Amino acid sequence: EAQVTQNPRYLITVTGKKLTVTCSQNMNHEYMSWYRQDPGLGLRQIYYSMNVEVTDKGDVPEGYKVSRKEKRNFPLILESPSPNQTSLYFCASIPSRGGRYTQYFGPGTRLTVL
Amino acid sequence: GENVEQHPSTLSVQEGDSAVIKCTYSDSASNYFPWYKQELGKRPQLIIDIRSNVGEKKDQRIAVTLNKTAKHFSLHITETQPEDSAVYFCAATHTPAQGAQKLVFGQGTRLTINP
Repeated sequence: EAQVTQNPRYLITVTGKKLTVTCSQNMNHEYMSWYRQDPGLGLRQIYYSMNVEVTDKGDVPEGYKVSRKEKRNFPLILESPSPNQTSLYFCASIPSRGGRYTQYFGPGTRLTVL
Repeated sequence: GENVEQHPSTLSVQEGDSAVIKCTYSDSASNYFPWYKQELGKRPQLIIDIRSNVGEKKDQRIAVTLNKTAKHFSLHITETQPEDSAVYFCAATHTPAQGAQKLVFGQGTRLTINP
């Protein structure tokens, strides 16, 4: 089954404790992206990656890091989480060929930083 | 960069009536406009999209219209049903040959269908 998976689905942590949210897709998509969703602000792009070893900042990259060492994986790293990073996070992947640009979203990760 | 404004933020309609959600965008280079539906506790899912070379697209009870001159596009849902209740997001991006990059979303509209 074609899918995007994220782990963990729920996470409560404390300020300053490094964490990683994993994202994996099995559709061989070149393009992957991370978003955060906050009430009244919609979905805002954090980072995106056009292919392996190619990443770029989205609209709200501060406080986040990403890596793309393999095509299927695109982890989101919070080196020193702060309470303003409490949010719902979505990973997404898109086929970059074929004329369709449907974003396939993962199930989401709800992060609480105390 | 691109900026997308979406209105209204909440919308309540009677079952069977129509619902319209409107979005404006700022970047005239944007050429792809998808709409996503997010049910409570679920991930966003694409429901319809339109490219800048098309003025209108319809899929059963859902339609999207695009006015490139005015830089706005709208989602129309006819004969609304309770299962249409959800948050709807519009988005805009420029799609170069290598695929969509910075997809910019609107703020979302919470649609409630009253029985």
